[in-house]
Amino acid sequence: AQSVTQPDIHITVSEGASLELRCNYSYGATPYLFWYVQSPGQGLQLLLKYFSGDTLVQGIKGFEAEFKRSQSSFNLRKPSVHWSDAAEYFCSLRGAGSYQLTFGKGTKLSVIP
Amino acid sequence: NAGVTQTPKFRVLKTGQSMTLLCAQDMNHEYMYWYRQDPGMGLRLIHYSVGEGTTAKGEVPDGYNVSRLKKQNFLLGLESAAPSQTSVYFCASSTANRGPSEQYFGPGTRLTVT
Repeated sequence: AQSVTQPDIHITVSEGASLELRCNYSYGATPYLFWYVQSPGQGLQLLLKYFSGDTLVQGIKGFEAEFKRSQSSFNLRKPSVHWSDAAEYFCSLRGAGSYQLTFGKGTKLSVIP
Repeated sequence: NAGVTQTPKFRVLKTGQSMTLLCAQDMNHEYMYWYRQDPGMGLRLIHYSVGEGTTAKGEVPDGYNVSRLKKQNFLLGLESAAPSQTSVYFCASSTANRGPSEQYFGPGTRLTVT
């Protein structure tokens, strides 16, 4: 069975500080990995995805994520957080040949001015 | 290009009532999905469809039915609503590429069952 764990339910950072959101997964092979962001009252928007190749992937809004096979992790990072980054972030996984996305429970990010 | 749209945006039902949520996409995507989102639970897949006329069960299908009569539309039905179905429902669509194709999400429908 596949699963995604986001250990942090809620994180608060100051504007301008760096950010790292953690994501660990369980899957028997290398999965396709995604980070989505959900602003309050909105649907989900894709930030970035990993499927092969370079383990450091760049996304929209200045976000990046690093795939580490040895740690089964796909952590999301941003060097300097903006107040508009306050939202909920979801890590998700899809196995090769599968239609279904498995989501983590999400990490809510609050930004202090 | 509207992407994925959902109607209605909000709905309040009484226990036992029925309703249908409509999802429409204008991206010519083969695959469509219905999720529910509950606090602290992330998104869970209810049903999905890999093409017109085909549907399949996801992780939490009980109490829901779906239909995909047209490629661009995916309907989610609640035959007899229960308070446990109070949730935010999201529809999504994607291309038929089983690889890392992303899912595009609608804005959601907030359903309350009293």
